[in-house]
Formats: sequence, C-alpha cells, structure tokens
Amino acid sequence: AQTVTQSQPEMSVQEAETVTLSCTYDTSENNYYLFWYKQPPSRQMILVIRQEAYKQQNATENRFSVNFQKAAKSFSLKISDSQLGDTAMYFCAFMKRLGASGTYKYIFGTGTRLKVLA
Amino acid sequence: EPEVTQTPSHQVTQMGQEVILRCVPISNHLYFYWYRQILGQKVEFLVSFYNNEISEKSEIFDDQFSVERPDGSNFTLKIRSTKLEDSAMYFCASSDRTGTDTQYFGPGTRLTVL
Repeated sequence: AQTVTQSQPEMSVQEAETVTLSCTYDTSENNYYLFWYKQPPSRQMILVIRQEAYKQQNATENRFSVNFQKAAKSFSLKISDSQLGDTAMYFCAFMKRLGASGTYKYIFGTGTRLKVLA
Repeated sequence: EPEVTQTPSHQVTQMGQEVILRCVPISNHLYFYWYRQILGQKVEFLVSFYNNEISEKSEIFDDQFSVERPDGSNFTLKIRSTKLEDSAMYFCASSDRTGTDTQYFGPGTRLTVL
C-alpha cells in the first residue's frame, strides 16, 4: 500500500531564508504524481507544486522547488526567500489510481507546520 | 481564476441530524471528490464521482454518506444521521479531463456535531 511520510511535524525559518521540507513515500508503481499543498490558518488547501514521476527535471514554481529523487522515493520542497505569508501547514501528497474506474485519489502525509519568523 | 466553492463555511448540528454540504466545482471539470480532515489529522479521501455516479469510495464512506450532483453545477455530500466523530473539515475537490489532472480544492466546510 502507498504511504506518505513527513518526518518533520514542525519547522521554523527566518524571513528571507531558505527552508526544505522533507517527504518520503512508498509505492510499487512506476508512473505516478506527487504534490505539495499548503494549508494556511484559513484551512483552505492550496496547490503549491506538482511533479510527474516520469519527468526527471525537478518542478519549480517561483520561490518553490522540489528535489525529486525517484530511486530514493523522496520528494522534498524547498522554499526560497521565505515570506511571512508562507506560514502554513504543508502537506505532501501522492496520487493513487483507484482500480478500474480510472479515477485517482490523494494520499496525504501528516503535514509539516512551518512558521516563518520576522 | 475559476475556483471551487463550498457552502456553508461552518455548520453546527445536533447528533442524529442530517446535514448537506454543498460544493460548486470548477465549471468544466468532470471529476469530483470529497475529502475529510479531522482536527489535527491528515486529509483523508472519502469518495470520487464521475459521469453521475460514484467511481470509488473509501471505507469511511458508509451508508450514512451519499453524494449527488442534482444539477449541472452543484455537488453535494449528505450525512444522514450525524455522529460526534463526523466533526471535521470537509473538502470538495474537482479535476479536469482525466483522473490524473490536479485536483483543486474548495475552502472547506467545518462541520461540528454536538
């Protein structure tokens, strides 16, 4: 069964600094999709970044980038030039195919609470 | 930019009562989902819906739960007889052409069962 592990329950970073959030996953599939979602205090789930496993190039989205290591099943998120608005819970997610229906579901990790300090 | 919307933002109900949580997915999306997040825990999949029927459901999605797309825009989750343990944040999500498309989440409905 697929699992997603986020080993850092809480982290903090100074404003303008860089922080890396770790995520590991377990799967026997070869083609899959990985995501990072941000959940600010409002509790809305906001997409940060998406990575297709078949792509060797790491995804980037402005200040957010990932380090995708397929062999190690590792998918870390790097936030550069951290801003106060980055304070949130960050969830790593694996997209799992649901049988013959062709639909997919997310399997989420337990989250990392990031606090950006002024 | 199109968004998934959910109403109400907060619902308080008495144990045993029925509740209906409403969602308006992004208009050209074809796949619809409900997830649940109990306070302090991770987000869990409840059900997926495509072509006007349930595609998959989790073990959480028992007979107390049902989903419906009553018209071309709304997607609802009904809990027939709420229990204390149903208190959670409920997220609706939708995705585009294929199941592998990114799922876009609504802001959630906080359900409190007293």
